[in-house]
Amino acid sequence: DTAVSQTPKYLVTQMGNDKSIKCEQNLGHDTMYWYKQDSKKFLKIMFSYNNKELIINETVPNRFSPKSPDKAHLNLHINSLELGDSAVYFCASSQVWQGNYGYTFGSGTRLTVV
Amino acid sequence: TQLLEQSPQFLSIQEGENLTVYCNSSSVFSSLQWYRQEPGEGPVLLVTVVTGGEVKKLKRLTFQFGDARKDSSLHITAAQPGDTGLYLCAGVGYYGGSQGNLIFGKGTKLSVKP
Repeated sequence: DTAVSQTPKYLVTQMGNDKSIKCEQNLGHDTMYWYKQDSKKFLKIMFSYNNKELIINETVPNRFSPKSPDKAHLNLHINSLELGDSAVYFCASSQVWQGNYGYTFGSGTRLTVV
Repeated sequence: TQLLEQSPQFLSIQEGENLTVYCNSSSVFSSLQWYRQEPGEGPVLLVTVVTGGEVKKLKRLTFQFGDARKDSSLHITAAQPGDTGLYLCAGVGYYGGSQGNLIFGKGTKLSVKP
């Protein structure tokens, strides 16, 4: 069983479109995250969410919005896609928020905006 | 803003050689974690170090956390082609006195040639 699963694996879309990336974890973890990895492989936190509190990285444009229907899911919705949004997006989860616990990552969604 | 500097950025060595990867910061972290990422996959946790001066071993990999909890190193003995990958250090930072999210260094891309 995949611990953190993301869909789709690849997403190619035109500028201006709205798209969503889905993430599910079956680990029973309390907290989920979205990270963006740029072309230089730098991973940057976008959101963390533990069903009580959403923390948004202030540098993330408000076109990006996380949506969590339940504790096991944290989807990422992106409005009005731009060329600069092209990157690999990783979902992750951890057992405890604000703790020294390791994160479990999904295998990523490569988004290409054309 | 808390930053983690990794060096070297790229490392290409022959099978059997030893190597060390460094992760440095001017900030104190409550813990540091090391991940390995392979192409097309998400980062996978190797180890978490929590106590200043702590040393952990994972087969041929030795991880050390600096006494001041501002830096860490990863030493690989007798590298093998299977060690090839992107190695990422990540720290659990402090924000306003509370622990925050995982902050990543920019990674070290290791290539071990047979």
